[in-house]
Amino acid sequence: DAEITQSPRHKITETGRQVTLACHQTWNHNNMFWYRQDLGHGLRLIHYSYGVQDTNKGEVSDGYSVSRSNTEDLPLTLESAASSQTSVYFCASSESRWMSGGYTFGSGTRLTVV
Amino acid sequence: AQTVTQSQPEMSVQEAETVTLSCTYDTSESNYYLFWYKQPPSRQMILVIRQEAYKQQNATENRFSVNFQKAAKSFSLKISDSQLGDTAMYFCAFMTAGGATNKLIFGTGTLLAVQP
Repeated sequence: DAEITQSPRHKITETGRQVTLACHQTWNHNNMFWYRQDLGHGLRLIHYSYGVQDTNKGEVSDGYSVSRSNTEDLPLTLESAASSQTSVYFCASSESRWMSGGYTFGSGTRLTVV
Repeated sequence: AQTVTQSQPEMSVQEAETVTLSCTYDTSESNYYLFWYKQPPSRQMILVIRQEAYKQQNATENRFSVNFQKAAKSFSLKISDSQLGDTAMYFCAFMTAGGATNKLIFGTGTLLAVQP
C-alpha cells in the first residue's frame, strides 16, 4: 500500500546543531508540504514543493530549508536548531496543485531542542 | 490573506450526545474548499469531511455533518451520537480553488473530549 513515512518519530537535539527530518512518500504525489504544529497556533506551513527541483517558502520558513531531488522525498533541514523550533513536524502530500482532495499526512516527528 | 478561526480551544460532550464545533474564515475568494481534520492522541491527521464552496448542500459523512454558511463565512462541524473514539483535536482548514496553490490553511484547533 502507498504511504507517507516520516523519520525519526522523536528526536532530541542540542541548540546550534543541524538537524534533518526525513519525509518519504510512495503515492507518486507531485505536491509535498512541511508543517509545524504548536499549541495555540494549529499547523503552520514551513515549505512546500510542487515537483522535482521546485521549492517554495511558507509562512514560517526562517531557519528551515528543503530540497526536492526526486518525487518521493522532501527532507526538512534545520540549519542551526533553536529552542523556538521545538515542535511537532508534519509532512504531507497531495496529487496535484489543482486538485482539492485534501492531503495525506505522515505521522509526525516530535523534535525537542535543548 | 486567508485566515481560519476556531474560537473554542476545548469542548466536552457526553457519550451519545451531539456537539458542534465552530469555525469561521476570512477570504476574498469566491471559490474554495473547506475541510475538517481529526487528530486523535496517536497524532495521525485524518480527513473527516470536505465541502466545496460552490455547493450549497452541506456535506455529510455518517455521524459527521457540516453547516456551511457562505455569506457568514462559517463552517461548523456537528458530531452526532458522540463516541469515545471521537476524542481528538479537530482542525478546520481552508484551501483556495483554481489558483494552482493547493495550500491548506489551518485554524488553531478545538480539543474535544467525549466523556463516558
